[in-house]
Amino acid sequence: GAVVSQHPSWVICKSGTSVKIECRSLDFQATTMFWYRQFPKQSLMLMATSNEGSKATYEQGVEKDKFLINHASLTLSTLTVTSAHPEDSSFYICSARGASGEKIYEQYFGPGTRLTVT
Amino acid sequence: AQTVTQSQPEMSVQEAETVTLSCTYDTSESDYYLFWYKQPPSRQMILVIRQEAYKQQNATENRFSVNFQKAAKSFSLKISDSQLGDAAMYFCAYSGRGMLTFGGGTRLMVKP
Repeated sequence: GAVVSQHPSWVICKSGTSVKIECRSLDFQATTMFWYRQFPKQSLMLMATSNEGSKATYEQGVEKDKFLINHASLTLSTLTVTSAHPEDSSFYICSARGASGEKIYEQYFGPGTRLTVT
Repeated sequence: AQTVTQSQPEMSVQEAETVTLSCTYDTSESDYYLFWYKQPPSRQMILVIRQEAYKQQNATENRFSVNFQKAAKSFSLKISDSQLGDAAMYFCAYSGRGMLTFGGGTRLMVKP
C-alpha cells in the first residue's frame, strides 16, 4: 500500500515553454501532498504544500507564479513549471502524507521527475 | 523551527562490516517521528526505518537499527552486515505532524 506515482519520469523542454508534472496517490486518498526540489548531491528542499481543494502554501523564496500547483482531487496534484528556464532544470519529487492517525506523520514518495530545460 | 544535522557527508564501510550514521535534531515538540530514508542512484526515496518519539525502545528492521537518545536529540542508524546494495545517500528526517525536515544527507560507500 501507499504507492505514489509521478509522470513523466524525465522531460526535456525548450526555454520559455511550460511543463506539467503529475503526482498521483494510487491506493489511498491524499489530502496533503508535497513538492520538493533536489539539486545534485544535495538534500530535498520543500517547495510547497498542496492541500486538496485549496491553494498551495509555498515556502519562502519559491515563486508562486512560476511553479503552479493544483490539487484538484484526493489522488492528484500537479506542478506546472511556467516559462521554464535552464536554471529550473532539476529533480522534482512529490510525496503524499498519510491520511489519518499515526500515518499523518509519514510521507510516501513518488519516484521523481528529472526536468531538463534547453 | 526544527533542524536536522547529519555531520558526516560521506562514510565508507567494508562489505559485511557494520557502520553507524549520525543524526542530531533540534525541536521543542514532544510528539514527533524520526525517519531514515535511503536514496539509491535511481533517486527513489525509500523508507529504511522509523522511530516514534514516545517509544523508548529502539526500532529495528532486519540489518538496520537505530540508537534513539531523546534527551540528547540524537538518532543514529546502524547498518549491520553491510551489503553492496546499501550504497546510497541516507537522509535523516524529522516529522512533526507530517511536515518533514531533512538533514543534509550522508553518502555511504560500500567496499567489496
